[in-house]
Amino acid sequence: DIMMTQSPLSVAVTPGESASISCRSSKSLLHSNGITYLSWYLQRPEKSPQLLIYQISNLASGVSDRFSGSGSGTDFTLKISKVETEDVGIYYCVQFLEVPNTFGAGTKLELK
Amino acid sequence: EVQLQQSGAELVRPGTSVKLSCKVSGDTITAYYMHFVKQRPGQGLEWIGRIDPEDDSTKYAEKFKNKATLTADTSSNTAYLKLSSLTSEDTATYFCTTEDWFAYWGQGTLVTVSS
Repeated sequence: DIMMTQSPLSVAVTPGESASISCRSSKSLLHSNGITYLSWYLQRPEKSPQLLIYQISNLASGVSDRFSGSGSGTDFTLKISKVETEDVGIYYCVQFLEVPNTFGAGTKLELK
Repeated sequence: EVQLQQSGAELVRPGTSVKLSCKVSGDTITAYYMHFVKQRPGQGLEWIGRIDPEDDSTKYAEKFKNKATLTADTSSNTAYLKLSSLTSEDTATYFCTTEDWFAYWGQGTLVTVSS
């Protein structure tokens, strides 16, 4: 199975500042079709996960452009600009290259 | 817009089985694979498996192969997750999710295994 390693496991951010979360996969997520099968999710407290970004950097419908994704191969980053109260929760990266789909352990974002 | 409505919370006895449902509205269930994800209290997300409602083909994570069974009923646009031989380790919230990149999620069903 492909292992997904996120860091840090938690981050505290002052509202209005930025935060970055790293995700590393044990295998390149680049398929021969040119698509990199990596996405990011936010799970707010007591809610279902919500898709933020797919294919490394594509913003999901309705998601704020304060969220951005970057990276390639095995190393990926989610950046949240101008952090707001509604950004609090746990962020997960997920790989879709192979079954079983595997999640990172999650990064908890809190406000200072 | 696609919506996934999951069945209500369950309190079940150890050693028994439970069947959870996930009803699709806003699209036909055959449009995409349906996946189920487990989340134990205070823990992360774990992929259980997926079903293709078009032909009922399934794939499971290895650790769930003897625990979970996925089925789908196209007439009611509903997918099901059956969990068998329940233990305290199965106490969790179970989510269904569908469409490319897990774009849509149900609200989750809490299963509590307790005597």
